[in-house]
Amino acid sequence: KQEVTQIPAALSVPEGENLVLNCSFTDSAIYNLQWFRQDPGKGLTSLLLIQSSQREQTSGRLNASLDKSSGRSTLYIAASQPGDSATYLCAVRSYAGNMLTFGGGTRLMVKP
Amino acid sequence: NAGVMQNPRHLVRRRGQEARLRCSPMKGHSHVYWYRQLPEEGLKFMVYLQKENIIDESGMPKERFSAEFPKEGPSILRIQQVVRGDSAAYFCASSLGGGVNTEAFFGQGTRLTVV
Repeated sequence: KQEVTQIPAALSVPEGENLVLNCSFTDSAIYNLQWFRQDPGKGLTSLLLIQSSQREQTSGRLNASLDKSSGRSTLYIAASQPGDSATYLCAVRSYAGNMLTFGGGTRLMVKP
Repeated sequence: NAGVMQNPRHLVRRRGQEARLRCSPMKGHSHVYWYRQLPEEGLKFMVYLQKENIIDESGMPKERFSAEFPKEGPSILRIQQVVRGDSAAYFCASSLGGGVNTEAFFGQGTRLTVV
């Protein structure tokens, strides 16, 4: 059974810092990995999708990497802004079942 | 192209009533997934459907919960005889297909409160 873990659970940083969010998964038989953002009381917004054959994806100030063999992904946020404050969720789509399995999320607070 | 549409956004039910949650996938998407998010917890998979078929319902409680995705119309998640523990946010996602290179898009969720 796939299990996804995100570290840290919460993070508070001053504006302008570069930061890294970590995601690990137990079963490397995955189709892809997605990073999402969730604002309080809102739905999920897809940030980046990395296919199993890819090593990284970039979108603006966001960069996500994938090391499938070690079961790890990182989300790098450059020059953080208060508007980046949200919960960031990592999810993997496994061969088994074909659904997304989510981590518990990292709650990010960027202080002005 | 509208995104995944869920309604209602908020739903209040008394214990013992039925709750019906609707999800219209993105245009052209034939794969629908339902997730539940309990307060202060992560998203838990409930059920995966394609048109007229339940593919995987391993996350669905054995009693009171059912889901369908008819040939025409939205996907429906139905909760019979609701209890306080059913209070949660229910999210629907859709994708073009399954497997590699299939990005999942989520709706805004339905927040169910059982009083």
